[in-house]
Order: sequence, then structure tokens, then C-alpha cells
Amino acid sequence: DAKTTQPPSMDCAEGRAANLPCNHSTISGNEYVYWYRQIHSQGPQYIIHGLKNNETNEMASLIITEDRKSSTLILPHATLRDTAVYYCIGKGERAQKLVFGQGTRLTINP
Amino acid sequence: DAGVIQSPRHEVTEMGQEVTLRCKPISGHNSLFWYRQTMMRGLELLIYFNNNVPIDDSGMPEDRFSAKMPNASFSTLKIQPSEPRDSAVYFCASSSARGLAVHGETQYFGPGTRLLVL
Repeated sequence: DAKTTQPPSMDCAEGRAANLPCNHSTISGNEYVYWYRQIHSQGPQYIIHGLKNNETNEMASLIITEDRKSSTLILPHATLRDTAVYYCIGKGERAQKLVFGQGTRLTINP
Repeated sequence: DAGVIQSPRHEVTEMGQEVTLRCKPISGHNSLFWYRQTMMRGLELLIYFNNNVPIDDSGMPEDRFSAKMPNASFSTLKIQPSEPRDSAVYFCASSSARGLAVHGETQYFGPGTRLLVL
């Protein structure tokens, strides 16, 4: 599975878009980019995943660069409840294991 | 759906005692995962099962740890004997693996069991 690199922490104002970057320069062609988040004292929560195309769901948008070496998770209108650690994970098509790094600690400020 | 259920939610025990953590996956899910989270090592996969069969236990730290899944609706993670360094939050997760289409599966995590070994 591809190694991912994320900034250790970020801040964002409530109501603004939170853009969380992830570098995965060694990602292979069949590896997906997954995003999970972990709110304090809770289990990780799936957010979104993608392969090549940009993806959007009710929680977030995922923008993957054309060369697939990096991606950005976008929370369009961040709320205080979005304060959490966000994990970017590369996972092979047939792999089941999730390998969590240190993630980005996102703090939404009022 | 109640989601993944773990028990107990908190456990305090003394070194040397046996500890058993329990997990009930989401009904219909056929894959189950045990993770451990500590400040030092982050979130680590210990073992996972497909259709009640252990597939990969390479993350199990040592022989003191064992995991079983006697049926599709129940799994246990046992530590015997427990040591202070086993103190951590243990998460169980489940998913619905669809054979070759596993890339689309989502893992759903339980609330975790907070274990403190004194």
C-alpha cells in the first residue's frame, strides 16, 4: 500500500471550507485513496474514497490530481463537529487492510 | 442498525490477569477487524477475519494475544496474561467484503474498549 504524507495539524474557521492535503507519490495504478476521520474518543469513521476521478458525497469532496500523486479532502462548510484527526490511506484494489498513519489533526475554530 | 458493538467499554485490570474483549459486528458483514490504538504507535491492525476465518494475524504482538470468531456475529480478543504495556484502546470494525470488489468496502468501527492494565 502507498505511503501517505499529511500535515500533522491544521486550523480552519467555522463555516469556511477545510482543505486537507495528502501526498501519495508512490501510489500504484490500482490503489484507491481512502479518507477516514476520528473524532475524539470515538472509532474512526469512513468519509470518502476515490481512484482517479473526483468524488463527492454528503460529507465531503475528494480531489485527486491527474498524476494521482496527491489529493485534497474538502469539507465545504466546516462545523465545530468536524474537529477530528483525518487519515488519508492508500489501499490496493484487493487489499482489505487499512494502514493508518498519524493523520492531520483538524481544529475548527468558532 | 445498532452498528458494531463492543464490550466492555472500559476495563481496568491488574497485571497478570486475563482480559477478554468482545465484538458483535454489523449483521450481514462477513469481515471483522481488530485494531489497537496507543499514543506511541497510533492505530494498528492486529488481526482480521473473513467469513469467521483468520486471514492475517501478523499484527498480533505476541502469543499472549489470541482472537477467535466462533460465528458470524461474535468475536473475542483475549490477552493472557495482561501487562501494563497492553493498555490501549481496542477497536473492532466490520465490513462486507464482496470478493473481487473489495476496493469499495467500508469498514465500520465500534466505539472501542479502553483497557488499563495496572
